[in-house]
Amino acid sequence: EDQVTQSPEALRLQEGESSSLNCSYTVSGLRGLFWYRQDPGKGPEFLFTLYSAGEEKEKERLKATLTKKESFLHITAPKPEDSATYLCAVRISGGSYIPTFGRGTSLIVHP
Amino acid sequence: NAGVTQTPKFQVLKTGQSMTLQCAQDMNHEYMSWYRQDPGMGLRLIHYSVGAGITDQGEVPNGYNVSRSTTEDFPLRLLSAAPSQTSVYFCASSDQGGHNSPLHFGNGTRLTVT
Repeated sequence: EDQVTQSPEALRLQEGESSSLNCSYTVSGLRGLFWYRQDPGKGPEFLFTLYSAGEEKEKERLKATLTKKESFLHITAPKPEDSATYLCAVRISGGSYIPTFGRGTSLIVHP
Repeated sequence: NAGVTQTPKFQVLKTGQSMTLQCAQDMNHEYMSWYRQDPGMGLRLIHYSVGAGITDQGEVPNGYNVSRSTTEDFPLRLLSAAPSQTSVYFCASSDQGGHNSPLHFGNGTRLTVT
């Protein structure tokens, strides 16, 4: 059973059509939840770290939020250049520093 | 500042051949790791290291070997390549084990085993 589940697997939006990506986790003792963006043929690129329920982080059209069991990545008025795969990862207390990754959400924004 | 550099970018091997995937970072990061990424499977941890001379196994270590003789380099060796090892391999580094340190990734090596 996956400890980190991302949904949907794929999402197609029209330019300007806001939506949210979900990352739910079953681990306890969360030490950090990370969001990454991955472009085709590239390695993942760090976006945000969230540490505690209620925390929010923003960057341009992206806003990440965290509850006790899930995180959302809200995309407001997306543009075609926001097309990418978005990965979520969690790091737990008492474990190694290595985070556990979800399988990602592939986002395509049509002009 | 180059960050994490992986070579080669592409490689084709025949079953049974061996090779080494190179990874180097210039950020003086203590922690380094190798992942493989397969369609629908996400990133899976192969091996990781918390410093020079220290390595440990991840989720899918079989068929792979690592060593860490310097802080900068963390090569991944395929001992006898198999078609199941066809994948995209990513190396990552982190500057500490604290919960506020994100991973920095290279741009991957795409490996095909025929």
